[in-house]
Amino acid sequence: RKEVEQDPGPFNVPEGATVAFNCTYSNSASQSFFWYRQDCRKEPKLLMSVYSSGNEDGRFTAQLNRASQYISLLIRDSKLSDSATYLCVVNMWGNAGNMLTFGGGTRLMVKP
Amino acid sequence: DVKVTQSSRYLVKRTGEKVFLECVQDMDHENMFWYRQDPGLGLRLIYFSYDVKMKEKGDIPEGYSVSREKKERFSLILESASTNQTSMYLCASTRPLAGADTQYFGPGTRLTVL
Repeated sequence: RKEVEQDPGPFNVPEGATVAFNCTYSNSASQSFFWYRQDCRKEPKLLMSVYSSGNEDGRFTAQLNRASQYISLLIRDSKLSDSATYLCVVNMWGNAGNMLTFGGGTRLMVKP
Repeated sequence: DVKVTQSSRYLVKRTGEKVFLECVQDMDHENMFWYRQDPGLGLRLIYFSYDVKMKEKGDIPEGYSVSREKKERFSLILESASTNQTSMYLCASTRPLAGADTQYFGPGTRLTVL
């Protein structure tokens, strides 16, 4: 079983739609959580951190459920520019400090 | 802004060649990482370094080595390139964020081994 699992998609949605991605992680010792965005043929970039209390950044809302060990990302009013792959990332403290484990990514395609 | 640069965006090498991939960061970060990214497999950690001359194996170190002679530079070496090392290679550098580390990536090197 992968440590961080995501539905690879693709999710095909029309502009203006609301779309949600889930991610599950297997290690209950995981300490912090992030969503990264990766455009085609580009490097991953931090989208937002995920807190237990939930956090919102404009059209994006991230939530964490520690009991069920899953993380979600909600995108409201989708734009064409939201088309990308969204990576779920989990951070654990290891022998050499903080280590990130990446999910395989969920691909989103927003259509006109 | 954090700047992580990689020596090449695209590279084509032949089987058996020795390949050097260079990564430089300008933010004085202690921790640096090398990943490879393949379709369906996501990012997999090859090696990381948390200080000059220090290195630790990641999940898939076989066929690779690294060098960290200066804090800002972390090199990935393919001693004898093979076709199964054709991949996108991403270097990353750590920046503390709200008590937890997150990583900033270089633009990637797409390596093709023929």
